[in-house]
Amino acid sequence: ETGVTQSPTHLIKTRGQQVTLRCSSQSGHNTVSWYQQALGQGPQFIFQYYREEENGRGNFPPRFSGLQFPNYSSELNVNALELDDSALYLCASSREPSTDTQYFGPGTRLTVL
Amino acid sequence: DAKTTQPPSMDCAEGRAANLPCNHSTISGNEYVYWYRQIHSQGPQYIIHGLKNNETNEMASLIITEDRKSSTLILPHATLRDTAVYYCIVRVQPGGSNYKLTFGKGTLLTVNP
Repeated sequence: ETGVTQSPTHLIKTRGQQVTLRCSSQSGHNTVSWYQQALGQGPQFIFQYYREEENGRGNFPPRFSGLQFPNYSSELNVNALELDDSALYLCASSREPSTDTQYFGPGTRLTVL
Repeated sequence: DAKTTQPPSMDCAEGRAANLPCNHSTISGNEYVYWYRQIHSQGPQYIIHGLKNNETNEMASLIITEDRKSSTLILPHATLRDTAVYYCIVRVQPGGSNYKLTFGKGTLLTVNP
């Protein structure tokens, strides 16, 4: 059974650019949640996708958007990058949206210059 | 979600038991206690969760007080690889709109040789 995978591992962008991060959920999991973790802080919930639709959203602006595909993999897109978007982006998958344990991937480290 | 309070840091000698406390005095009857840990710059790793009974798995034991206002995560024989930030999270389950994990700053456990 493969775990949650994310790509790329590291990414460097400049302010104003756009970025796409990818996540493959664990086998048998249909729900993907995305979190942002700034340096020295705990992860903060961005949004969750279930059955290809957004199932809940944290306090993040609309320039943070996502997709979920029929195979349950997911993308996180961030437009108009700001310096404060520099963070570790984590994806977690679960069997159900609100009733099951979330298992995290290794994360993507995004640096915005 | 109920708030949790954890000490910012703890030390433990290798081979000894590590007991990590968590206060969740406002926990509701349908909220579970979850524990995750995060080794430097990796994705959080699920450890254990429970409602009101004590739980044990291959990684750790979770002791929840009878009034459920606090809990203790026990790593029975800590090793250097257990050095990590440990997060205690309370989460409503099942159902409802509580689809996210709300992380605090956690406890940095340092296991010393």
